[in-house]
Amino acid sequence: DIQMTQSPSTLSASVGARVTITCRASQSISSWLAWYQQKPGKAPKLLIYGASSLENGVPSRFSGSGSGTEFTLTISSLQPDDSASYYCQQYDRSPRTFGQGTKVEIK
Amino acid sequence: QVQLVESGGGVVQPGRSLRLSCAASGFTFSSYAMHWVRQAPGKGPEWVAVISYDGSKKYYADSVRGRFTISRDNSKDTLYLQMNSLRAEDTTVYYCARDPGDLLYYFDYWGQGTLVTVSS
Repeated sequence: DIQMTQSPSTLSASVGARVTITCRASQSISSWLAWYQQKPGKAPKLLIYGASSLENGVPSRFSGSGSGTEFTLTISSLQPDDSASYYCQQYDRSPRTFGQGTKVEIK
Repeated sequence: QVQLVESGGGVVQPGRSLRLSCAASGFTFSSYAMHWVRQAPGKGPEWVAVISYDGSKKYYADSVRGRFTISRDNSKDTLYLQMNSLRAEDTTVYYCARDPGDLLYYFDYWGQGTLVTVSS
C-alpha cells in the first residue's frame, strides 16, 4: 500500500498568516492527489484535486502544488473559518489511501 | 444541490449483519460511480468500496472483501452497503461519497455519515 505522511500533525497560526501543510507519498503518485478539509462532526470537503486544481467554490486562498512524492497545501491568508483538519489522499493506485491529517488551529 | 443522505447505522453484535443506504438527489445518480468511505475518530478516512455508474464494476478494500457488498438501484437513486460478519474493528462512521467521474477514486461530495457500532 502507498503510505501518505502529513506534517505537521498540528499547527497553530494567526489570522492572516501563510500556512503550509506537507504530504509525502511512499512512492510516486504523479499528480493523483486530493486535499480535503474536515470540520468536527462534518464530512470531509474536497478542496484540491490533481494536486493543484481548485475545486469549484473553494476560496482562492487555498492552493496545492507538487508531484511525484512530495506535495503541499497552502493557505495564503489564514481565516477563522479555516480552523479544521486537512487530509491528503492519493488516488493513483489501489488501495487509495489518506494521510493521517493535520489539525489547523487559530491563535 | 447535490445531497447524499446515509441511513441504516446502529448497534449490532459481532458476526451479525447490517445494511446501509445512501439516498442521492440533486444530480443524475446513474451517471456517477459511488463509494463508501469510513473514518474512525481521530483517524484519516479509509476507502471501503466503489461501484461503477451502471453497477457492472465493484471493487473492495482488502479489509472488507468477502464480507461487504456494494450495490445500487439507479431507479431509486440509492446506494447500498450490505455488511455481513461484522467485527469490532468495523465500528466507525460510514460515508457515501460521489466519484466525480468514471472511477477516478477521489470524492467531490460526501454524505453526513452514519455510525456503525459493533459490540456485544
